Amino acid sequence: SAVISQKPSRDICQRGTSLTIQCQVDSQVTMMFWYRQQPGQSLTLIATANQGSEATYESGFVIDKFPISRPNLTFSTLTVSNMSPEDSSIYLCSVDVQGAPTEAFFGQGTRLTVV
Amino acid sequence: EDKVVQSPLSLVVHEGDTVTLNCSYEVTNFRSLLWYKQEKKAPTFLFMLTSSGIEKKSGRLSSILDKKELFSILNITATQTGDSAIYLCATTSGTYKYIFGTGTRLKVLA
Repeated sequence: SAVISQKPSRDICQRGTSLTIQCQVDSQVTMMFWYRQQPGQSLTLIATANQGSEATYESGFVIDKFPISRPNLTFSTLTVSNMSPEDSSIYLCSVDVQGAPTEAFFGQGTRLTVV
Repeated sequence: EDKVVQSPLSLVVHEGDTVTLNCSYEVTNFRSLLWYKQEKKAPTFLFMLTSSGIEKKSGRLSSILDKKELFSILNITATQTGDSAIYLCATTSGTYKYIFGTGTRLKVLA
């Protein structure tokens, strides 16, 4: 299993600003995933973050808007840049500890409101 | 394109009722299907299914996978108000990506 500490838990931000979300895992993991959950919607994968290489972004998500860092095997950050009210969502980081098939472990989530 | 579809989208029942939640999928290189319960922000793991016909059980919850018909069901018997949540179904594939369904919002009334 894995324990994931994600912060901040929630934030209210002004449009046009940026927010960086941190995710710390208690063990080394190969892949970390960042998801967005818009109100009333399911989880949508933003990108996969591998240590030592650039993140792989899903269709509809770009690095300029959601830059990701993965400096080591236990830590990652997601930045939501130049925010607009449409970015108001829950953001979740997730790890896959042993490789598929296995359960994904989730951080506590960050509830972001952009005003 | 890979997709996971859940039904119903929402459900309201009374305590003691039994509910069945459905999840169908079309996934290339399917590896596993997972069920999660989401009450606040972070989903919590319920079951992982990889083989057809083998029922997984945990208390009042059970789930089964049909790889021929490409679906899974999650059953909850003797529902309680604490079962009120969004239930998410997800699949993993050869790319190690998790694809989530839209979720079923369950509300259990006292």
